[in-house]
Amino acid sequence: DAGVTQSPTHLIKTRGQQVTLRCSPKSGHDTVSWYQQALGQGPQFIFQYYEEEERQRGNFPDRFSGHQFPNYSSELNVNALLLGDSALYLCASSPGQREKLFFGSGTQLSVL
Amino acid sequence: KQEVTQIPAALSVPEGENLVLNCSFTDSAIYNLQWFRQDPGKGLTSLLLIQSSQREQTSGRLNASLDKSSGRSTLYIAASQPGDSATYLCAVTGSWGAQKLVFGQGTRLTINP
Repeated sequence: DAGVTQSPTHLIKTRGQQVTLRCSPKSGHDTVSWYQQALGQGPQFIFQYYEEEERQRGNFPDRFSGHQFPNYSSELNVNALLLGDSALYLCASSPGQREKLFFGSGTQLSVL
Repeated sequence: KQEVTQIPAALSVPEGENLVLNCSFTDSAIYNLQWFRQDPGKGLTSLLLIQSSQREQTSGRLNASLDKSSGRSTLYIAASQPGDSATYLCAVTGSWGAQKLVFGQGTRLTINP
């Protein structure tokens, strides 16, 4: 049984570009959340998707957007990349909105 | 606004020692508290989850306690091993949303052989 899978594992972009990160939840999970983890910091909540809708959002600008597909997979899009967007982006899934989260290994984004 | 603090930020101990990691949170109205392990550049592995009604949870050499009224949790690691070297993070959820974990900055633990 595959866990939460994220792609790509590493990504290098330049300032001003746009990026899309992908996440496939664990089998049987229908809720996906995204977190940003800067170097040396704890993860920060970006947003949560359930039934293809954004249900909760953290303190992130509109440059950060997402999508959930009918098969429960999800994408995180970041527009107009800034140097400060360099971080490990973690996806987490759960079998419902109030259940324990399972995390993927993350996508390391570097913005030059 | 919930804030989570972990002390110390880094800890280095010889193999075999018992050790305690600390976590404190400012708002006691939490649903649960989790301890995670993170290896460098990797995702998070959940170690223990304590519901707000519980006082402690144990898994193998790990024991986590929760004192909700004082806003504190500790993670006790017995007979430490080099393989325990990692960053340990605590996180809480509350009425602000069950999926919205609020994390501390972590304690970077090094176990020396």
